[in-house]
Amino acid sequence: AQSVTQPDIHITVSEGASLELRCNYSYGATPYLFWYVQSPGQGLQLLLKYFSGDTLVQGIKGFEAEFKRSQSSFNLRKPSVHWSDAAEYFCAVVPKTGANNLFFGTGTRLTVIP
Amino acid sequence: KAGVTQTPRYLIKTRGQQVTLSCSPISGHRSVSWYQQTPGQGLQFLFEYFSETQRNKGNFPGRFSGRQFSNSRSEMNVSTLELGDSALYLCASSWADRPYTEAFFGQGTRLTVV
Repeated sequence: AQSVTQPDIHITVSEGASLELRCNYSYGATPYLFWYVQSPGQGLQLLLKYFSGDTLVQGIKGFEAEFKRSQSSFNLRKPSVHWSDAAEYFCAVVPKTGANNLFFGTGTRLTVIP
Repeated sequence: KAGVTQTPRYLIKTRGQQVTLSCSPISGHRSVSWYQQTPGQGLQFLFEYFSETQRNKGNFPGRFSGRQFSNSRSEMNVSTLELGDSALYLCASSWADRPYTEAFFGQGTRLTVV
């Protein structure tokens, strides 16, 4: 079955520490890949996207993600987390054929401790 | 450039009533999609409109409907509200539907059904 998996429901990191949020997908062909962030009570903000080309993509707020075809993964990273990064992070895909809407993972809630 | 605007931000309705939510997309964007976000089901696709035509529909009952106007503004309607319809309803706009272009989200409408 097609799916987007974020295995970590909740992650806690110290401010200044590095961060990696995991995302795996299961689709026949590599879909378009996205990471969104949601602050409490707010909508979704696009952090970065991967359509094709260079497998390391840079996004806003110092985030980057690496696409690994062999692992069907699109993990989000940040070298040094700031307290303002505390939020919920969603990995999402859009299949390249068929349905033309976003399919979301269940999200990872990030807590940042001082 | 103004972002996606959703109105109202908050709504409280009684079971059995109906509700209409509004979404104004980013200027020039012709595709509008709606998503429902709940703690139990996460982010789920409702429907997508492009140039006043519904292009895609998620797995929701017929009580959920939508439309798009010639200026790309969209409304969604939920009739005969149930307690389980309580959710954050998010609207997203994008420039085109195929090939897929990135979607930008509004801040959402928080609907509470009592």
